[in-house]
Amino acid sequence: RKEVEQDPGPFNVPEGATVAFNCTYSNSASQSFFWYRQDCRKEPKLLMSVYSSGNEDGRFTAQLNRASQYISLLIRDSKLSDSATYLCVVKGKSGGSNYKLTFGKGTLLTVNP
Amino acid sequence: GEEVAQTPKHLVRGEGQKAKLYCAPIKGHSYVFWYQQVLKNEFKFLISFQNENVFDETGMPKERFSAKCLPNSPCSLEIQATKLEDSAVYFCASSRHEGGSQYNEQFFGPGTRLTVL
Repeated sequence: RKEVEQDPGPFNVPEGATVAFNCTYSNSASQSFFWYRQDCRKEPKLLMSVYSSGNEDGRFTAQLNRASQYISLLIRDSKLSDSATYLCVVKGKSGGSNYKLTFGKGTLLTVNP
Repeated sequence: GEEVAQTPKHLVRGEGQKAKLYCAPIKGHSYVFWYQQVLKNEFKFLISFQNENVFDETGMPKERFSAKCLPNSPCSLEIQATKLEDSAVYFCASSRHEGGSQYNEQFFGPGTRLTVL
């Protein structure tokens, strides 16, 4: 089982749609959780951290369920500029390593006019 | 600097040739990380440094790959005798601190695209 698994996508949605991304992780000792955004093979950029109580930043809402080892990202009122690959990222000690970031494969979102 | 800098932007090598990639972390950041991104968005952690000391090398291939971070020099990732499967984008990231907290954000450089022919 992969350490971090995401919806394979791709997602094609019209402007204004609400879109949800799901992610699960296998390492129960994981400590921090993030959603990164990557545009067209550029560097990944932090979109938002995911807190246990859930958190919102404008049109973006992230949720974490530690019991189910599940993370989600909801984008409301999607814009053309939201088109990108969304990466679920988990941080924790794993396989003898110190706090490395483990990435999901990413889900490509295309928002259409 | 204010951003992670990586050079070169693109690198083309014939199989068996050496490749050397460079990374300058954000000023004041003590930790440097190298990641490899191959097709289909698979990111793989390679190695991390705390200043000039190896912090975590559990992702580093045992053969052909080496990395250094020396004082007052950019960090480097070197691949001896490149193979076709080394073709990827290599990202460097830096953070001020490290640990499990989500407040220790890693900032990524623009990457070096290595193509092995």
